[in-house]
Amino acid sequence: GAGVSQTPSNKVTEKGKYVELRCDPISGHTALYWYRQSLGQGPEFLIYFQGTGAADDSGLPNDRFFAVRPEGSVSTLKIQRTERGDSAVYLCASSLDSGRLFFGPGTRLTVL
Amino acid sequence: KQEVTQIPAALSVPEGENLVLNCSFTDSAIYNLQWFRQDPGKGLTSLLLIQSSQREQTSGRLNASLDKSSGRSTLYIAASQPGDSATYLCAVLTGGFKTIFGAGTRLFVKA
Repeated sequence: GAGVSQTPSNKVTEKGKYVELRCDPISGHTALYWYRQSLGQGPEFLIYFQGTGAADDSGLPNDRFFAVRPEGSVSTLKIQRTERGDSAVYLCASSLDSGRLFFGPGTRLTVL
Repeated sequence: KQEVTQIPAALSVPEGENLVLNCSFTDSAIYNLQWFRQDPGKGLTSLLLIQSSQREQTSGRLNASLDKSSGRSTLYIAASQPGDSATYLCAVLTGGFKTIFGAGTRLFVKA
């Protein structure tokens, strides 16, 4: 595709449920990032992949959050036992060489 | 720990005015600095990227400067238009390939 795509665009779930958020980066981009953005704030770094491996996962808030990128392209962010505080917009970005970042439209997660 | 601050938090100007948005960062050891635009409910669009060895970048009516030693960057918008209304975010790439964002400046350009 021409840009970074994310699915779903919106996700409403109940407290305690498991969710998966998907990111499809620009073809050929080896670097992939997940960010979380709350209302009125800048994006907060969660995890960075270079190829298939998580090069930096220091931003994941706790062990309920996990992300994978098994083939070095599509990535999935997984959240277990969701809490109301997890509600935010989850943004994915990719880049060719850790230079200019290209962001997807985001997934708005609401935990009731 | 790198922290990025943007001033002002919000700005309202009449159409046609030139304006400056400010960004400061606490650790000068950066690889690059990017300015992004975010429209309500949308993702971020990269406007300008300045490498650590550069002093400025220009694109159309936008000019971004970087003073790494003082930890500052400015985004200059010439002849502002209502279509420029958006949130503008500054972000720095640090060691470890982590891009750290400021909270943004919400710009409203009145017709």
